[in-house]
Amino acid sequence: AAGVIQSPRHLIKEKRETATLKCYPIPRHDTVYWYQQGPGQDPQFLISFYEKMQSDKGSIPDRFSAQQFSDYHSELNMSSLELGDSALYFCASRGGKAPPSTDTQYFGPGTRLTVL
Amino acid sequence: ELKVEQNPLFLSMQEGKNYTIYCNYSTTSDRLYWYRQDPGKSLESLFVLLSNGAVKQEGRLMASLDTKARLSTLHITAAVHDLSATYFCAVRETSGSRLTFGEGTQLTVNP
Repeated sequence: AAGVIQSPRHLIKEKRETATLKCYPIPRHDTVYWYQQGPGQDPQFLISFYEKMQSDKGSIPDRFSAQQFSDYHSELNMSSLELGDSALYFCASRGGKAPPSTDTQYFGPGTRLTVL
Repeated sequence: ELKVEQNPLFLSMQEGKNYTIYCNYSTTSDRLYWYRQDPGKSLESLFVLLSNGAVKQEGRLMASLDTKARLSTLHITAAVHDLSATYFCAVRETSGSRLTFGEGTQLTVNP
């Protein structure tokens, strides 16, 4: 079965640079979520989109922005990178029409961002 | 603000033994999830629990939900080395669809 695709898988940037992370949800999934996971920590919700509109916003820094495009893929744009932004960034997708018993967020493989 | 707490955070057990991981949450929820994560890897969905008294089992893992106590458990039966991983519970608030995760339980099963 098709899974969530994220690119790139690894990214190394210098402080104050910018980065763009991409996410391709499972086909026919209409909701995309972004989470940040620091080393040894649990994933923290950043932002989500439903049908190309922002649906919820969590602890996302103002330096970050995101959007969902007409083909449902999403991009997370990160500017003025800081050392503390080094983390695993996960995208998850969900099919809004799934029955409750199987209503799950499916996570991609993640993008490991290292800021030097 | 929704808080999700797991215990224990670290669990070292021998193969063949049983153990339970606990997940408490602070506000009402309509979905509770258990995920597994291997080091540096993605989060794999294990269970979704919807209602009070829900119980689901897959292999050596069984999850249950008590919505009145705001408590979920993940029971491991006759552990094997392949179960070594970090297990997260995650709660979805009734007002939205974002997930709030517990701190995770790092499970090590020793031969």
